[in-house]
Amino acid sequence: QVQLQESGPGLVKPSETLSLTCTVSGGSMSSYYWTWIRQPPGKGLEWIGYIYYSGSTNYNPSLKSRLTISVDTSKNQFSLKLTSVTAADTAVYYCARLAEVWQTHYYYYYMDVWGKGTTVTVSS
Amino acid sequence: DIQMTQSPSSLSASVGDRVTIACRASQNISNYLNWYQQKLGKAPKLLIYAASTSQSGVPSRFSGSGSGTDFTLTISSLQPEDFATYYCQQSYSTPPHTFGQGTKLEIK
Repeated sequence: QVQLQESGPGLVKPSETLSLTCTVSGGSMSSYYWTWIRQPPGKGLEWIGYIYYSGSTNYNPSLKSRLTISVDTSKNQFSLKLTSVTAADTAVYYCARLAEVWQTHYYYYYMDVWGKGTTVTVSS
Repeated sequence: DIQMTQSPSSLSASVGDRVTIACRASQNISNYLNWYQQKLGKAPKLLIYAASTSQSGVPSRFSGSGSGTDFTLTISSLQPEDFATYYCQQSYSTPPHTFGQGTKLEIK
């Protein structure tokens, strides 16, 4: 059974870079997309972006200028880097597997396996 | 971006009630609509994808319907473990795969 685990610093200073890693265990990264989602305190979910196991990416336009998502399949890990952070980037960050399934002539996408989330606070 | 709007934002109901949560997209998304359940302090859990296909292991009391711009999640008979926040999400176009703002289901 595939499991995901986020790791990284819980506290980041304003203007610095937030770096998180998601480790995939119990399965291969091949043929899947891997995503990051965040949730500010008391608020809803925000889709950050995803990376295919081969390395192609798709980012939320609102974060694109500050965001890099990368993958290392040899370590079964993918990572997020967000530069120039502010208090608005304080959130619980989740990694998730984005499944692609073929159903009645179309591909559908959904996040079927999630990490437990890690809290990142931006503060001096 | 495609905007997703859920209604109501919060809802009080009793065990055994039938509950419906609505989700509206700002443009036609066909049936590229997912539903997630999130309990306090936990990661979201996938309930429904492709608007009406239940994820494996999800109780049959959960069902989804709709196409185009209007969708619903129905819980046929509320159980104590169903009190949570529910989110819809479109996967029609990227970026981004936007979420609704959430519907908090509380015990009456």
